[in-house]
Amino acid sequence: RKEVEQDPGPFNVPEGATVAFNCTYSNSASQSFFWYRQDCRKEPKLLMSVYSSGNEDGRFTAQLNRASQYISLLIRDSKLSDSATYLCVVSPGTGANNLFFGTGTRLTVIP
Amino acid sequence: DGGITQSPKYLFRKEGQNVTLSCEQNLNHDAMYWYRQDPGQGLRLIYYSQIVNDFQKGDIAEGYSVSREKKESFPLTVTSAQKNPTAFYLCASSRAARNTEAFFGQGTRLTVV
Repeated sequence: RKEVEQDPGPFNVPEGATVAFNCTYSNSASQSFFWYRQDCRKEPKLLMSVYSSGNEDGRFTAQLNRASQYISLLIRDSKLSDSATYLCVVSPGTGANNLFFGTGTRLTVIP
Repeated sequence: DGGITQSPKYLFRKEGQNVTLSCEQNLNHDAMYWYRQDPGQGLRLIYYSQIVNDFQKGDIAEGYSVSREKKESFPLTVTSAQKNPTAFYLCASSRAARNTEAFFGQGTRLTVV
């Protein structure tokens, strides 16, 4: 079983739509969780960390469900510029070298 | 501006040649990493280093070598022993503390011709 699993998509949504991605992780001892955004042929960039209580940054909301071992990312009022691949990243907390990356979920926002 | 710089952005290599990818950071981060990304796959860890003069193998270290002589620099050599070297290579750095996110360079796209 992979450490981190994501639905690869693609998710094709119209502008203004709300879209949600889930990501499951296998190690129940995982401590840190992140969402990264990666544009085509570019490096991943940190979108947001995911905290136990959930957190929001503008149109983006991240949630953590430890009991079911998944994290989610909700994007409201989708913009064309949100089109990218979203990577789920999990760390067991024993060192940053143990960041495990999902394969990413591809989002395309359609005019 | 602080950041991580990888060079070159594109690299072509003939089969049987060794090539070295550069990675420099001025973020004062202790930890540095090399990842490989192939289409449809997640990032896979090649090597990492948490302090100068020390580094550890990641999940796919075979055919690669690294050095960490300076805190700012973590070059990766792709040797001729690497059977399928064509890929997108990403260097990252982070603070040594636990539970910290990694910051990435712009990547080097290596193609074997």
